[in-house]
Amino acid sequence: AQTVTQSQPEMSVQEAETVTLSCTYDTSENNYYLFWYKQPPSRQMILVIRQEAYKQQNATENRFSVNFQKAAKSFSLKISDSQLGDTAMYFCAFMKQGGSEKLVFGKGTKLTVNP
Amino acid sequence: NAGVMQNPRHLVRRRGQEARLRCSPMKGHSHVYWYRQLPEEGLKFMVYLQKENIIDESGMPKERFSAEFPKEGPSILRIQQVVRGDSAAYFCASSSGRSPNGYTFGSGTRLTVV
Repeated sequence: AQTVTQSQPEMSVQEAETVTLSCTYDTSENNYYLFWYKQPPSRQMILVIRQEAYKQQNATENRFSVNFQKAAKSFSLKISDSQLGDTAMYFCAFMKQGGSEKLVFGKGTKLTVNP
Repeated sequence: NAGVMQNPRHLVRRRGQEARLRCSPMKGHSHVYWYRQLPEEGLKFMVYLQKENIIDESGMPKERFSAEFPKEGPSILRIQQVVRGDSAAYFCASSSGRSPNGYTFGSGTRLTVV
């Protein structure tokens, strides 16, 4: 079975600065996807970024980028130029390719952006 | 495109009552997933359904919980004889099944058992 570990329960950052959220996972699969989701106080789950395991290039979406280290089974999220609206819970998730495509989530990191 | 619609947004039930949670997938989506989020936890997979079929229910508790996705109408997650431990946020997600883009989540139903 796959597991996802987020070792930072809470983090804070000053507005306009950069922060990195950590995520490690355990799997014996070779083909899979990794995701970061944002959950603001509204509770809505919002997809931030995704990475296919077969791609060596790290995914980037505007101010959000990942550092994907497949051999180390590490998938960290970097948020640049942090904004107040980035304050939320952030969840790392794993999906095995094929099968029922269910997501396995970590416990989350609560990020607070301070003015 | 209205997105994934879940209702009610909040549901309060007394112990022993039944809870029915509804999920209407995005237009064109025939795959529905249900997840449960306990306080201070990430989401945990419960069940995956396609129209009229349960594909994977490996995350569903063996008793009191059931799910359906009929040919017409929303997907329903039913919890019979609720207990305090069932208090959680229940999320539905839908996809077209063609690409694993992490699919689209609804806003969740927060169930409180008193």
